[in-house]
Amino acid sequence: GAVVSQHPSRVICKSGTSVKIECRSLDFQATTMFWYRQFPKQSLMLMATSNEGSKATYEQGVEKDKFLINHASLTLSTLTVTSAHPEDSSFYICSARGWGTGELFFGEGSRLTVL
Amino acid sequence: KQEVTQIPAALSVPEGENLVLNCSFTDSAIYNLQWFRQDPGKGLTSLLLIQSSQREQTSGRLNASLDKSSGRSTLYIAASQPGDSATYLCAVIPLGAGSYQLTFGKGTKLSVIP
Repeated sequence: GAVVSQHPSRVICKSGTSVKIECRSLDFQATTMFWYRQFPKQSLMLMATSNEGSKATYEQGVEKDKFLINHASLTLSTLTVTSAHPEDSSFYICSARGWGTGELFFGEGSRLTVL
Repeated sequence: KQEVTQIPAALSVPEGENLVLNCSFTDSAIYNLQWFRQDPGKGLTSLLLIQSSQREQTSGRLNASLDKSSGRSTLYIAASQPGDSATYLCAVIPLGAGSYQLTFGKGTKLSVIP
């Protein structure tokens, strides 16, 4: 099946710094990618929909200035957590839609820890 | 608003048993339904995708069924193995969702005991 790669898989940063997470579709082009956040023992919460060449669509309650999303090409979307704080510590997962069937493929996730 | 419920929340079975995981959704107007597997600290692995016009899909020891009218899907795992231990998530994409946003259930945590 299609492969979605996320990087880094783990990142630790100091409070106040910014962290960028990359999501790449390796063997297909994705006009739309999705960013999720997952808290321990909880299901995934959709944060935003990333559209290639246009602004991301954020879910209610998600701060767009805090979580910057850029989808500059058909194979890459990035999520930047700006001025990170300990409460931003979480597991972030991206997904991309395959052509035709609408099947969604997920990256392996990025564990962010803010000290 | 679409809601997806998975029962049971956790399940423990001895190796070799056949088992069924259940998923129900409140709005039958769906585009498709997808089953995923998530291992601890990892992303999601797509297991099976069922289009709204289909009633079931099979892949190896896995069989997923879909009954849109009753708002239900089941994931059948035959001859379970310890390597099947993971959390299984069911998700639906509603009709009209141009960006294909999924609604997830909270998952069923499966433990297969050797």
